[in-house]
Amino acid sequence: KNQVEQSPQSLIILEGKNCTLQCNYTVSPFSNLRWYKQDTGRGPVSLTIMTFSENTKSNGRYTATLDADTKQSSLHITASQLSDSASYICVVRAFDRGSTLGRLYFGRGTQLTVWP
Amino acid sequence: DTEVTQTPKHLVMGMTNKKSLKCEQHMGHRAMYWYKQKAKKPPELMFVYSYEKLSINESVPSRFSPECPNSSLLNLHLHALQPEDSALYLCASSQGRDRGNNEQFFGPGTRLTVL
Repeated sequence: KNQVEQSPQSLIILEGKNCTLQCNYTVSPFSNLRWYKQDTGRGPVSLTIMTFSENTKSNGRYTATLDADTKQSSLHITASQLSDSASYICVVRAFDRGSTLGRLYFGRGTQLTVWP
Repeated sequence: DTEVTQTPKHLVMGMTNKKSLKCEQHMGHRAMYWYKQKAKKPPELMFVYSYEKLSINESVPSRFSPECPNSSLLNLHLHALQPEDSALYLCASSQGRDRGNNEQFFGPGTRLTVL
C-alpha cells in the first residue's frame, strides 16, 4: 500500500533554532518527492523537489535530503523565523505509465510552531 | 503569472443552496485538480481534468459537479451539500505532461461552511 508517514506530528521550537522533519514513504514506483509549506487556511507552496538520483537539495534556509534506498526524506530548517510557523507536508509522486500525470500521495504534515 | 486564483475565499451555504467554486490559472497548464482538505488532514484528491477532459473522479458524491469550460478555468458546482462537506477546497494546476517533476501549483483555497 502506498503511504507517506511524517514525524513528528507537531513541533515547537524557539526562534533562531534549527529543526529537522522526517518523512518515510512506501510509494512505488517512485517518481519524486516534494516538501510543501502550508500556512493555515492557505494552499500548499512547494519548497523543494527531490528525484531518485538526488541526495540533498537546498532552498535558502531549507535543506531536504533523500535516501531512496531506505525511502526516507528529511527537511532541515536552519535559523528558524516566526514566519516558518506552518504545516510542512511531504508529498510523494508515483510514476504511472497509464497516466501522463502520476499520482500524489500526501503525508499528514508536521505542524511547526516557532516561538519568539 | 505563476498564480492559481480561487473565488470566493469563504463561502457559507445551506444544505438546499446551489453554489459554485471557481479556479483560474494563466500558466498554460493543461491539468487542473480539485482537492478537499479537512482540518489537520492532508488534501484528498477529488477530480482531475487533463486537456479539459475529466480523467479522474475519486468516487466523489454527485452533489459535487466539476466543470472545465476551458484550459484556464475550473469550476466546482455544489448542490444539496451536507455539513460534513465543510472543508477547505483547494484547486491546483500542473503542466499536464509527465515530465518527472510535474509540479502542482495550488491556489489559496475556498473555505466552505455548510450549515
